[in-house]
Amino acid sequence: QITLKESGPTLVKPTQTLTLTCTFSGFSLSTSGVGVGWVRQPPGKALEWLALIYWDDDERYSPSLKSRLTITKDTPKNQVVLTMTNMDPVDTATYYCAHTRSDYGKYYFDYWGQGTLVTVSS
Amino acid sequence: DIQMTQSPSSLSASVGDRVTITCRASQGISKFLAWFQQKPGKAPKSLIYAASSLQNGVPSKFSGSGSGTDFTLTISSLQPEDFATYYCQQYNSYPPTFGQGTKLEIK
Repeated sequence: QITLKESGPTLVKPTQTLTLTCTFSGFSLSTSGVGVGWVRQPPGKALEWLALIYWDDDERYSPSLKSRLTITKDTPKNQVVLTMTNMDPVDTATYYCAHTRSDYGKYYFDYWGQGTLVTVSS
Repeated sequence: DIQMTQSPSSLSASVGDRVTITCRASQGISKFLAWFQQKPGKAPKSLIYAASSLQNGVPSKFSGSGSGTDFTLTISSLQPEDFATYYCQQYNSYPPTFGQGTKLEIK
């Protein structure tokens, strides 16, 4: 059974760096074809894809946020960490991590964490 | 980036109805489209991948079709638990992009 859970601060100040951890079970990021990604959702708005890391260390980022994002994995700990620098109130959102699976070399989300609400405010 | 446009943005229907939601991509994405259901305050739930393949455990009342640029999600025999917001997402090319969502409400 695949499960994921996000953890991190609920409140950050403008200009600070956000660090979120996704802790998962039921799969390994050493398995070929597997990845973990991050998606966010501002209150009342649509989903926005942020970043993804694959079993082979390939990293992908949203072009609009690439300069601010870093995604890393700790395979033995079953964790993926997302850092976002220079936080702004517009980054207030619920942040989700999700497991991805290969579909003929294209990757889709199939399992999601419960999400964590991050508020950016002084 | 590929733009995903869903229609309608909101939809009112009654229990027992059959509804269809449309998703259009700004360029061809083959069959690499997923659908998600999201209820208020909850995480998205994966329903369909590869345009028409049901995720494990998803009831057959949900069905998807399409390829290229035009896709549909159909929900038959609506039940109270089906009223939610539905999102499409293309994963053919980076960055993967979501539609703006379709809110399905009880009439």
